[in-house]
Amino acid sequence: DGGITQSPKYLFRKEGQNVTLSCEQNLNHDAMYWYRQDPGQGLRLIYYSQIVNDFQKGDIAEGYSVSREKKESFPLTVTSAQKNPTAFYLCASIDRQMKAFFGQGTRLTVV
Amino acid sequence: DAKTTQPPSMDCAEGRAANLPCNHSTISGNEYVYWYRQIHSQGPQYIIHGLKNNETNEMASLIITEDRKSSTLILPHATLRDTAVYYCIVRTTNSGYALNFGKGTSLLVTP
Repeated sequence: DGGITQSPKYLFRKEGQNVTLSCEQNLNHDAMYWYRQDPGQGLRLIYYSQIVNDFQKGDIAEGYSVSREKKESFPLTVTSAQKNPTAFYLCASIDRQMKAFFGQGTRLTVV
Repeated sequence: DAKTTQPPSMDCAEGRAANLPCNHSTISGNEYVYWYRQIHSQGPQYIIHGLKNNETNEMASLIITEDRKSSTLILPHATLRDTAVYYCIVRTTNSGYALNFGKGTSLLVTP
């Protein structure tokens, strides 16, 4: 089936460690997005990419990094510089009508 | 993209119509209105979108005022499974822009 796959579903990280969240899509969409969601809050944009090898910072990019080496993949690295990384992370891609398709999310916890 | 304003929460009795309002008074001529919903701990799901005409699909109806400054998402016969956070977003179909979500409306459908 076509869709967005995020892995892992749950991730635990020690303080000071970098960790990479995976996002893969087989929808042939050009644009992909990463969001962070804290309890009871809306989605905040971290990074987005319109095409391969290009990406832009969103509202809360500090402490995060991304790459877009392939159209299908848009991994997000949470670095040690991110002071409060515990959150729910969502990846999305967008079709030509600008309809967004989301993965099921990764819940990251710092232990 | 134009800013949207939604009430933070609403209640609806099961089987009744749920009418969720969204104000987008600064919308420009080439911006569409999109609605998504997010069930707890899942990724958001696309519901419907429109430019100026009313739209209907199997999930909901979208009513956009003639001046396009506000819209209403209608769930004609709400069920308990419609309990979710509903997001109203306004944006163009230009893929070069970010996709920003606000805090949405938390809809509680009660038995």
